Amino acid sequence: SQTIHQWPATLVQPVGSPLSLECTVEGTSNPNLYWYRQAAGRGLQLLFYSVGIGQISSEVPQNLSASRPQDRQFILSSKKLLLSDSGFYLCAWRETGGTGELFFGEGSRLTVL
Amino acid sequence: AQSVSQHNHHVILSEAASLELGCNYSYGGTVNLFWYVQYPGQHLQLLLKYFSGDPLVKGIKGFEAEFIKSKFSFNLRKPSVQWSDTAEYFCAVKPSGGSYIPTFGRGTSLIVHP
Repeated sequence: SQTIHQWPATLVQPVGSPLSLECTVEGTSNPNLYWYRQAAGRGLQLLFYSVGIGQISSEVPQNLSASRPQDRQFILSSKKLLLSDSGFYLCAWRETGGTGELFFGEGSRLTVL
Repeated sequence: AQSVSQHNHHVILSEAASLELGCNYSYGGTVNLFWYVQYPGQHLQLLLKYFSGDPLVKGIKGFEAEFIKSKFSFNLRKPSVQWSDTAEYFCAVKPSGGSYIPTFGRGTSLIVHP
């Protein structure tokens, strides 16, 4: 069966420090991968998605970047964190050509101080 | 681009009350529709989905949703809620056929008092 792992679960970082959130999917090949940010009362904001290795689409220009170095690995990064980067980040995947259902990771709570 | 509107941001009910959460979308073509649920401390998971066929869709835990194409709506219902239904509920829409990106509503926070 397919699983998705996201880490770290919580992270407290100072302003100006780098960020790396990792997400891996197991049990499937060539998934579509997504990074969302969830804010209270604002729902889910799509940040990046990827349809294949090295293919990244950005939905919202900001201080973050994403990379997909392997088929089932998706990384969210920043070189210098801002206070406004604080939030709850969700990784998700779906099958290529599948029914459109997204499968979400447990989320990473980032606090920038 | 498509958009999704969830009109109820916070809903508070007593156990055994009936539930209806509104979801409207804007998109001119054929869509796939979803409701996701996030229980406290848990990850988002699919509650139910509509792709085609019968517009009344049954999901897990006694939930159902009805797709009304003329109203661009996909409201979520449950005849009798339980305390364990306390959660955040998200409606999502994805253009069918080739689109990669589902769009989510802002979510509805449901609190059920025992």
